[in-house]
Amino acid sequence: AQSVTQLDSQVPVFEEAPVELRCNYSSSVSVYLFWYVQYPNQGLQLLLKYLSGSTLVKGINGFEAEFNKSQTSFHLRKPSVHISDTAEYFCAVSGNGNKLVFGAGTILRVKS
Amino acid sequence: DTGVSQNPRHKITKRGQNVTFRCDPISEHNRLYWYRQTLGQGPEFLTYFQNEAQLEKSRLLSDRFSAERPKGSFSTLEIQRTEQGDSAMYLCAVQGGDSPLHFGNGTRLTVT
Repeated sequence: AQSVTQLDSQVPVFEEAPVELRCNYSSSVSVYLFWYVQYPNQGLQLLLKYLSGSTLVKGINGFEAEFNKSQTSFHLRKPSVHISDTAEYFCAVSGNGNKLVFGAGTILRVKS
Repeated sequence: DTGVSQNPRHKITKRGQNVTFRCDPISEHNRLYWYRQTLGQGPEFLTYFQNEAQLEKSRLLSDRFSAERPKGSFSTLEIQRTEQGDSAMYLCAVQGGDSPLHFGNGTRLTVT
């Protein structure tokens, strides 16, 4: 079975500052890892995914994440955030690329 | 346009009533998933279909819940004798091949 822990429920940050949203996972098998973003009253949009290969994954909207197997982490980063990045971000894990197990989410609040 | 249409977007019902939600993928996808998301939580897996076959059901899916995908395209999720604890966002997602899950905008259910 897999599980995901998102260590911060909310992250406030000023516009143009860097941000890191933390994600740790637990799994007894090899994993696929994902970050999704959710804007209010909308579904989830895929930001990026790690399936195999390079541990640094680049996604949409300037986000990137690094897979660290020894620390079982998949933290999401952006060097300079915009007001429009304000949303809830979900980390998810899958053992086979199909059924996803999600974390509880991190609300990113970008302040001007 | 998310590629997945969910109807209705919002549903308010009284406790004890039955409700049905519909998920229409715009293009063909062999896998279709239902997730439930309550306030402050990440989406939780309910069930999934491979074409017409319902292959897995979560323990969250009580006997009052039933899902169908009769022709391997659209899907319905019915909740009988609704309870206040059923209030949540119900998300549909589709997947073709090895691609990531692609979510609709969800149906928000409020049980009064």
